[in-house]
Amino acid sequence: GAGVSQSPSNKVTEKGKDVELRCDPISGHTALYWYRQSLGQGLEFLIYFQGNSAPDKSGLPSDRFSAERTGGSVSTLTIQRTQQEDSAVYLCASSLNGGENTEAFFGQGTRLTVV
Amino acid sequence: KNQVEQSPQSLIILEGKNCTLQCNYTVSPFSNLRWYKQDTGRGPVSLTIMTFSENTKSNGRYTATLDADTKQSSLHITASQLSDSASYICVVSDRGSTLGRLYFGRGTQLTVWP
Repeated sequence: GAGVSQSPSNKVTEKGKDVELRCDPISGHTALYWYRQSLGQGLEFLIYFQGNSAPDKSGLPSDRFSAERTGGSVSTLTIQRTQQEDSAVYLCASSLNGGENTEAFFGQGTRLTVV
Repeated sequence: KNQVEQSPQSLIILEGKNCTLQCNYTVSPFSNLRWYKQDTGRGPVSLTIMTFSENTKSNGRYTATLDADTKQSSLHITASQLSDSASYICVVSDRGSTLGRLYFGRGTQLTVWP
């Protein structure tokens, strides 16, 4: 596709349920980032994938959060046993390697609401 | 530790007024810095890019500055309009062995009132 695609765009789930959020980056982009924005809060780093390197998971808030990136392309962020504080907009971004013009391209985000 | 700090966290101004948003970073080695605008319900889009050798760059009513010595950047918005209400995010790219990793600030939420 022409841009970063995230699905679903909106997700309402009951507390305690598991959810999967999907990010389809721009073809050929080796770097992929997951961030989230809570109401009234700024961007919060979750996880970073770069090619075949081990991902930087230092931003994941708890072991209920996990992410994988299959084949260096599509990524899935999984939240187990969702809590109300997980409600946020989850943003995915991808970029090409290096260079002085490295630019992140963002998806539209997935708005997760835990009720 | 590579970090990007933005201030203020939020800002309210009246239509027609000017404002300046700040971005301080510790990312090293530095490659470039971008300012993004995120309208409500949308993904962020790039406004401007600054490389090491650039001090000032304008994009319409937006002017970005960069001081690579002090590792500070600012985004100045002139004659603000209601459509400027958005979150503004500073993103810094490194030039290390990790092939240009991006570091994101938390953003400044700007609200322009009529």
